[in-house]
Amino acid sequence: QSALTQPRSVSGSRGQSVTIFCTGTSSDVGSYKYVSWYRQHPGKAPKLMIYDVSERPSGVPDRFSGSKSGNTASLTISGLQADDEADYYCCSFAGIYTFRVFGGGTKLTVL
Amino acid sequence: EVQLVESGGGLVQPGGSLRLSCAASGFTFSSYWMSWVRQTPGKGLEWVANIKQDGSETFYVDSVEGRFTISRDNAKSSVYLQMNSLRADDTAVYYCVRDTRGMADLDYWGQGTLVTVSS
Repeated sequence: QSALTQPRSVSGSRGQSVTIFCTGTSSDVGSYKYVSWYRQHPGKAPKLMIYDVSERPSGVPDRFSGSKSGNTASLTISGLQADDEADYYCCSFAGIYTFRVFGGGTKLTVL
Repeated sequence: EVQLVESGGGLVQPGGSLRLSCAASGFTFSSYWMSWVRQTPGKGLEWVANIKQDGSETFYVDSVEGRFTISRDNAKSSVYLQMNSLRADDTAVYYCVRDTRGMADLDYWGQGTLVTVSS
């Protein structure tokens, strides 16, 4: 069982928007700004999509956005494209003893 | 271009040892924390360990504490993961990852090396 909770799957039609939620606790997501999101295509390494809750690395389109409210972080992808179909993982710092925790991953299907 | 190339994976018996290596290029290696993250086949990601720029601080997930040791050689731009007392549940793809600030995002990932623990 992963430390952060994500839905196993979500889906959306091309051009529409979808939001993936990541629920943690006051010991991780709720306490730190260090929430990040990763996209992983089958057989490939994960790729950083969002860091520090809502920041986008260079090269990541502004269709990807992140936010946080309390113990829950979210990733919103607007204008869905076929290439967005992948697994998405959230991650949070959780203090110096647990350190870093991931969510179980969400499979995004683009219809 | 940032590149991280892992090596050293393979099949090992329970209780055995393995040393993973990661060769980095395309950035100032000594300026970054480095992490190892693993992924069980068909399942999710698990952060394993990380090491500070000068090697003075290391952190581990509880499940590997005392069995795994992360180290680095800045002169060779390389990071290592010594894995001892391996168990079946250590079977995973192990990724070498650039760790931007030690507790925050993991911005560049290698392609991974598969470790299989089985008799």
